[in-house]
Amino acid sequence: EADIYQTPRYLVIGTGKKITLECSQTMGHDKMYWYQQDPGMELHLIHYSYGVNSTEKGDLSSESTVSRIRTEHFPLTLESARPSHTSQYLCASSEISGGAYEQYFGPGTRLTVT
Amino acid sequence: DQQVKQNSPSLSVQEGRISILNCDYTNSMFDYFLWYKKYPAEGPTFLISISSIKDKNEDGRFTVFLNKSAKHLSLHIVPSQPGDSAVYFCAASLSGGYQKVTFGTGTKLQVIP
Repeated sequence: EADIYQTPRYLVIGTGKKITLECSQTMGHDKMYWYQQDPGMELHLIHYSYGVNSTEKGDLSSESTVSRIRTEHFPLTLESARPSHTSQYLCASSEISGGAYEQYFGPGTRLTVT
Repeated sequence: DQQVKQNSPSLSVQEGRISILNCDYTNSMFDYFLWYKKYPAEGPTFLISISSIKDKNEDGRFTVFLNKSAKHLSLHIVPSQPGDSAVYFCAASLSGGYQKVTFGTGTKLQVIP
């Protein structure tokens, strides 16, 4: 059973506000990821981390930033939300070694910026 | 440029029959393929995977077939059950590095009782 949590599940916020989407996992996974998904579209990788103090940008350019101060925690921050940031944000984690590439996903945060 | 394609956005199947979901990819370097299932308001859940050294992998009612020459994989669900109704994402990965996974756009499967 995967244990990865995201809060809030739903967020409606006004333009210009600063927001932080929380993601935590209790599996001790070194690798963590943030994806953005719009309805009917594929998941786009926006950030990933190999471990503590390691963060990299993904394929899709994003104005968000991430931090990885603790293994279990990988928050995503938007300094100034805009309507174009409206989307679903999915956090995932995986083990760093082995031949399996299964990622375990959290339930997602549905963000709406008005 | 979409490297993993699921050309059927939706599929309806009668309960008890076979569901076949298809996926095509363009990058011949992909060497690991996965299927995820996603229910509304939940994150994707890993379903089954296959390495490029195999052409078939089976797990209960789910079987994934890989045709490397055609750059095509398919997921078979037999027999289909109403609880299988969900969006199914095909994904492909390159070994090494940070295990980047490229996802398709998904196929919404509806199993009709």
